[in-house]
Amino acid sequence: DIQMTQSPSSLSAFVGDRVTITCRTSESIRDYLNWYQQKPGKAPRLLIYGASSLQRGVPSRFSGSGSGTDFTLTISTLQPEDFATYYCQQSYRTPLTFGPGTKVDVK
Amino acid sequence: EVQLLESGGGLVQPGGSLRLSCAASGFSFGTYALSWVRQAPGKGLEWVSGITASGGTTYYADSVKGRFTISRDDSKNTLFLQMSSLRGGDSAVYYCAKAKGGNVFLAADNWGLGTLVTVSS
Repeated sequence: DIQMTQSPSSLSAFVGDRVTITCRTSESIRDYLNWYQQKPGKAPRLLIYGASSLQRGVPSRFSGSGSGTDFTLTISTLQPEDFATYYCQQSYRTPLTFGPGTKVDVK
Repeated sequence: EVQLLESGGGLVQPGGSLRLSCAASGFSFGTYALSWVRQAPGKGLEWVSGITASGGTTYYADSVKGRFTISRDDSKNTLFLQMSSLRGGDSAVYYCAKAKGGNVFLAADNWGLGTLVTVSS
């Protein structure tokens, strides 16, 4: 199975901060990397697919980059509604593994 | 508007069986791959199983292989997950998720609200 790591596991930030989350895979997955946001008690929401494509309806302050084994999700200017847990997922090979998540909370 | 509505969860004893359903609407059901993803209380997301748009190919996580069976009924716009030999580790909220296209190697762009499965004596 392809192993996923995310860093940091949690972070505290102010509204208006720039936030960067990193995802690393145990082998190359080209650009088959997706990012999801999940709020407590809610279903995940797709933010970024194919490493860098913004899902329709997602604000442009979210962006993704990377290929191969190293990927980044960036929130350019953190908004109050962005406090949540973020998961990366590889869709290169089954099982379609998720990262352990990064919880973003208020500083 | 795409809607996915899971049902069939509940309390089941270890070793028991349960069948989850996911009723879909708002899109051309037979055109898209679908998956089940679960989340144990307070834990992260775990992909469980996926099925292609044609239904011809199914995939499973090792943790459920041989115990769970995914299927779809395109005439009823419904996805199923038959679960047997259930264990405590299967306790989770189970989400139905629609892929962005016909194969499972794509992001999941729509999710249901989830149905809770609790395996306990």
